Amino acid sequence: KAGVTQTPRYLIKTRGQQVTLSCSPISGHRSVSWYQQTPGQGLQFLFEYFSETQRNKGNFPGRFSGRQFSNSRSEMNVSTLELGDSALYLCASVKDTGLHEQYFGPGTRLTVT
Amino acid sequence: DAKTTQPPSMDCAEGRAANLPCNHSTISGNEYVYWYRQIHSQGPQYIIHGLKNNETNEMASLIITEDRKSSTLILPHATLRDTAVYYCIVRVYDADKLIFGTGTRLQVFP
Repeated sequence: KAGVTQTPRYLIKTRGQQVTLSCSPISGHRSVSWYQQTPGQGLQFLFEYFSETQRNKGNFPGRFSGRQFSNSRSEMNVSTLELGDSALYLCASVKDTGLHEQYFGPGTRLTVT
Repeated sequence: DAKTTQPPSMDCAEGRAANLPCNHSTISGNEYVYWYRQIHSQGPQYIIHGLKNNETNEMASLIITEDRKSSTLILPHATLRDTAVYYCIVRVYDADKLIFGTGTRLQVFP
């Protein structure tokens, strides 16, 4: 079966702009989590959605937001981009909450100039 | 979630066993030990998890000490494709977020 897909794979934006990233989980998976990976901070949890509801949220400013649709696809939005938002944004899906194995997508590489 | 400590890097010869240690001395009774790896520029990949008993799957074995304060991931016959950063994570079963540390960069050489 198809894995987690993320679009776009690469993105270049300018400071102050906003960006929307998309994640399509594995078919049948209902939970989607987002992570940010930077060389300085490593992999950090952003938020997790299950059945269109945010269940967990990491320690990120309100500029970072997300949502999940009824088909489990998820989007994350970053407003007023800063240079420090340049990172690899990863999405992971799980069939149901609490299950052990999370499946990660290839990520979206965002560069802010 | 408990913190973990891993060596920053390790080397292993191809075909030999790679033994990656992890300390989690503050682990709670209801926290599992998970291992993920990340090959360069890809998303992390789940390897294995355990609570108390040793576990084995097609990828690796997980050995957890009796006091659960440390564990070892064993790749029995390392290949060049096993070169990656390996993350040891502890978390409560129903907490979906994974807290990644800095991991161990495993370099498998010919």
